[in-house]
Amino acid sequence: DAGVIQSPRHEVTEMGQEVTLRCKPISGHNSLFWYRQTMMRGLELLIYFNNNVPIDDSGMPEDRFSAKMPNASFSTLKIQPSEPRDSAVYFCASSWWKGRSYNEQFFGPGTRLTVL
Amino acid sequence: QQQVKQSPQSLIVQKGGISIINCAYENTAFDYFPWYQQFPGKGPALLIAIRPDVSEKKEGRFTISFNKSAKQFSLHIMDSQPGDSATYFCAARRTGTASKLTFGTGTRLQVTL
Repeated sequence: DAGVIQSPRHEVTEMGQEVTLRCKPISGHNSLFWYRQTMMRGLELLIYFNNNVPIDDSGMPEDRFSAKMPNASFSTLKIQPSEPRDSAVYFCASSWWKGRSYNEQFFGPGTRLTVL
Repeated sequence: QQQVKQSPQSLIVQKGGISIINCAYENTAFDYFPWYQQFPGKGPALLIAIRPDVSEKKEGRFTISFNKSAKQFSLHIMDSQPGDSATYFCAARRTGTASKLTFGTGTRLQVTL
């Protein structure tokens, strides 16, 4: 298996531009998570989906952020308009979940976003 | 609100020594406690995990010690090696939240020769 795939790996954009980050989870996984990592705030959960349905978006910082999962094999995180404080590494992770069990989250390599 | 507190922020250990990273939590509804390891430029990866019904779990050189009454757990790396140099995150899952994790702030470990 190729693991969780994220694109692009690096993104440099100017303030005010729209940014779209993409994620392909591991085949067969039904939970998908978007995280943001910064030196100041560490690893923060932004939103997660179960079976393509958003379950908890309480970590989404503001309305400029939106996430979609149109099918089991693809998700996007969009920032519009982007601001310099959005600069961070964004990770996507996936896992298999059923009932009350917990299964390992597998992280992608991340997208390093720089907003100038 | 930081629900999982991790210390120290950074740690330098000599090769062959023991690395110890500590975490404390407040929410008694947490029911699963994994540790993740992250190398520079990579995503975090699961290292070892424990449930609160056991006090210790060992996998090779890595051991989790869990103190339910104190709401603390720690990672011990025995015979630390330069290849262990990475950032380590503790995490906790709250019952009923599927696989949602709350992460500690991370500990950057450097193992010197």
